[in-house]
Amino acid sequence: DAKTTQPNSMESNEEEPVHLPCNHSTISGTDYIHWYRQLPSQGPEYVIHGLTSNVNNRMASLAIAEDRKSSTLILHRATLRDAAVYYCILRARTNNNDMRFGAGTRLTVKP
Amino acid sequence: GAVVSQHPSRVICKSGTSVKIECRSLDFQATTMFWYRQFPKQSLMLMATSNEGSKATYEQGVEKDKFLINHASLTLSTLTVTSAHPEDSSFYICSAHSGASYNEQFFGPGTRLTVL
Repeated sequence: DAKTTQPNSMESNEEEPVHLPCNHSTISGTDYIHWYRQLPSQGPEYVIHGLTSNVNNRMASLAIAEDRKSSTLILHRATLRDAAVYYCILRARTNNNDMRFGAGTRLTVKP
Repeated sequence: GAVVSQHPSRVICKSGTSVKIECRSLDFQATTMFWYRQFPKQSLMLMATSNEGSKATYEQGVEKDKFLINHASLTLSTLTVTSAHPEDSSFYICSAHSGASYNEQFFGPGTRLTVL
């Protein structure tokens, strides 16, 4: 599976937007871009996924670069409950659906 | 979204004993389940993939005789840590995939194992 690169940590102020970047320069044409987050002592939680077009859902937005070599997860108004480790994961549609996690970005939200 | 449960949520055992962890998909049938291990301050590491009715596929470096996986039904997979040692202490997380949609994979809340 192609690898992703994310900053180790980021900080945000409460109620401000947060942009979490992810580089995936070796992405292939069949790779979907997934974002999950993990709150302390919990299992990962699905956030959003996309292939080529930008995506929006109730939790976040996903902006995908035109060349697909990078993407950005956007939290429009960070809350204290958004403090978590955010993982950007590439999954090839042809694989057996396993999901392999990188180091992720630890987001701290300050009140 | 769909719900995946794990039992127990935490377990403490003595060195040398075996511990069984259950992973259940509560409102869907999971054709494939995955087991992960997570050490403190680290990311999740995939241990094995289990498909209902067949043998699990283990990742390189994961001992299949130590981490026994059974996926006997479409809603239940179990991970048994045999002859547990302190270095097996970790957070074990399962996830389940329904097969109905490529993108749907749901994670359990995790099981904290402490081996004394």
